[in-house]
Amino acid sequence: DTGVSQDPRHKITKRGQNVTFRCDPISEHNRLYWYRQTLGQGPEFLTYFQNEAQLEKSRLLSDRFSAERPKGSFSTLEIQRTEQGDSAMYLCASSVKMGAGGYTFGSGTRLTVV
Amino acid sequence: AQKITQTQPGMFVQEKEAVTLDCTYDTSDQSYGLFWYKQPSSGEMIFLIYQGSYDEQNATEGRYSLNFQKARKSANLVISASQLGDSAMYFCAMALLNSGYALNFGKGTSLLVTP
Repeated sequence: DTGVSQDPRHKITKRGQNVTFRCDPISEHNRLYWYRQTLGQGPEFLTYFQNEAQLEKSRLLSDRFSAERPKGSFSTLEIQRTEQGDSAMYLCASSVKMGAGGYTFGSGTRLTVV
Repeated sequence: AQKITQTQPGMFVQEKEAVTLDCTYDTSDQSYGLFWYKQPSSGEMIFLIYQGSYDEQNATEGRYSLNFQKARKSANLVISASQLGDSAMYFCAMALLNSGYALNFGKGTSLLVTP
């Protein structure tokens, strides 16, 4: 198992464009989480899936953001009409349990909106 | 609502010394887990240590130990024998058993280990 993969690693986009990020979790992990991290801050929870069901969304997740996890495997996070304030690192994590080592994080996608 | 507070934006420690990074949390749930993660400049999130709310013993993982004081709702990380490679951001996080296990992070503490 190669861990949690995120693609792309970096994305530069013009304001107003749509972007989509992908996360491939560890295959046996049924829970998948998206976080946003801005410079010098801790990761902020955006949303999570248990299998294919999106069970919780943060207030940070405006209606320009949408996430999917079809068939309970990989997940996509789309941002429509990007704004400069969307510039951040978007982290994906997966887990099968709470506890020591229960969460595995991807390397993140760094989004820059110009 | 759950909240994690890390009051030390930055800390310095000399190599080979011990350092304590503070973390307090706020929740009315009884079942939760507390975590510490290290994030070096490369950006990866590295798991360090975990403490369950029902664990009676403080967790230890090598040079890392978690000083868990449940009544005070604190979960401080102690790093013994600091190394230059310990220089990084450190995040305290909590997950609730009844809330999908989503991690809620503090703002972090930047640790610099000096020779």
